Formats: sequence, C-alpha cells, structure tokens
Amino acid sequence: ETGVTQSPTHLIKTRGQQVTLRCSSQSGHNTVSWYQQALGQGPQFIFQYYREEENGRGNFPPRFSGLQFPNYSSELNVNALELDDSALYLCASSSRGGYTFGSGTRLTVV
Amino acid sequence: KQEVTQIPAALSVPEGENLVLNCSFTDSAIYNLQWFRQDPGKGLTSLLLIQSSQREQTSGRLNASLDKSSGRSTLYIAASQPGDSATYLCAVPSNNDMRFGAGTRLTVKP
Repeated sequence: ETGVTQSPTHLIKTRGQQVTLRCSSQSGHNTVSWYQQALGQGPQFIFQYYREEENGRGNFPPRFSGLQFPNYSSELNVNALELDDSALYLCASSSRGGYTFGSGTRLTVV
Repeated sequence: KQEVTQIPAALSVPEGENLVLNCSFTDSAIYNLQWFRQDPGKGLTSLLLIQSSQREQTSGRLNASLDKSSGRSTLYIAASQPGDSATYLCAVPSNNDMRFGAGTRLTVKP
C-alpha cells in the first residue's frame, strides 16, 4: 500500500505566473483534499474532490482550481500567482475516517 | 463554524518529562478527531485517530483522549525524547474538510 505522494517538493515561481501541483492518493482512497499552510499556521482547506467532482471548497478565489483523475490522483492549479500564495501546499487522501497527508510542495513566489 | 484552538502554542521540556497538549473545538457534533505530527517544512504524519464513540486511543508512548461534550481533546506524551520535538496539530471534520488548530510547537531538550 503506497502513501500519498506529491510533486514537485519545491518550486519557485514569479508573480503572475501559473503553477500546477500534483498528488497521487493512497491506494483505495477516492477522496482528495488540498490545503494551504502558511508559516506558523495550521493548514487551511482549499477544496476537496470525490470521484472526479469538486465536493466542497474553502475560502479561496477562483484562480485556485483543481482536477481529479479516474485513478483518483489530483492536480492543484493556481493562476496569476501572488506573493501571498507562498506556502506549503498539502494534499490528503481519505476513504473513511482519517486523512493521510503527503509531504507537501513548498511554493515560493518572488 | 467549527473553530479549533490549541494550547499552549509552544512548549519546551527536559528529556524524560511527561507532558499534555490541549485541543478544544467549538462544535461538539464531530465524528472523529485526529492528532498529527509535523516536522519543520514537512507534511503531516497521523498519530492517532479517535472516533466519536471512543474516549481514548493509545499508540506507544502517546495517549489521546476525547471529551465531546466539553469540546476537548488531550494528547499525552510519556517519557518525552528529543526526537519528539515537532509541531503537534489536532484536527476535526467540518463539512467536507478538516479544521485544524494552529498547533503546539514542542521542544524536548536533551
């Protein structure tokens, strides 16, 4: 049974650019959630996907979008990057009960 | 709206001490609570998942308790070790996401 894997681990982008982050969910998990974690804070919910459909969204603007694929892997896309988008982005998969998190992608916007 | 608070924000103890981390939540209608560990710049590692029907869960030197009626959970760490140094986060389900506290940053001194 593999865990949740995220790529890339680190990324530096320029303000205004677009970025795509990727996540492979744990085997058997059909739900994927994305979180943004700023330094010194707890993770903040961006959105969740269940069976390829968005299944809930946090307080993030539309330039944050996502996809889930038939194998339950997922992408997070962020357009028109802003300096405040610099954070650790975490992906979590779940089936019933608890969540399993990946190691995250550290995004720096300069 | 579910809010999660963790006290203290930071804790420094000498090696060997027993310690308690606190987590409180505003909406007691939860079906589980999860404790995570996070090392600097890394993802979240699940420590313990307590279902709403349970009062506590144990894993090695860790024991987590849940009191739904009072909106509280505690994480007890016995015989602390320098390797326990990390940030500890609690989280509860809220609609389709997990709501996190800001964490307790634990330092165990040799």
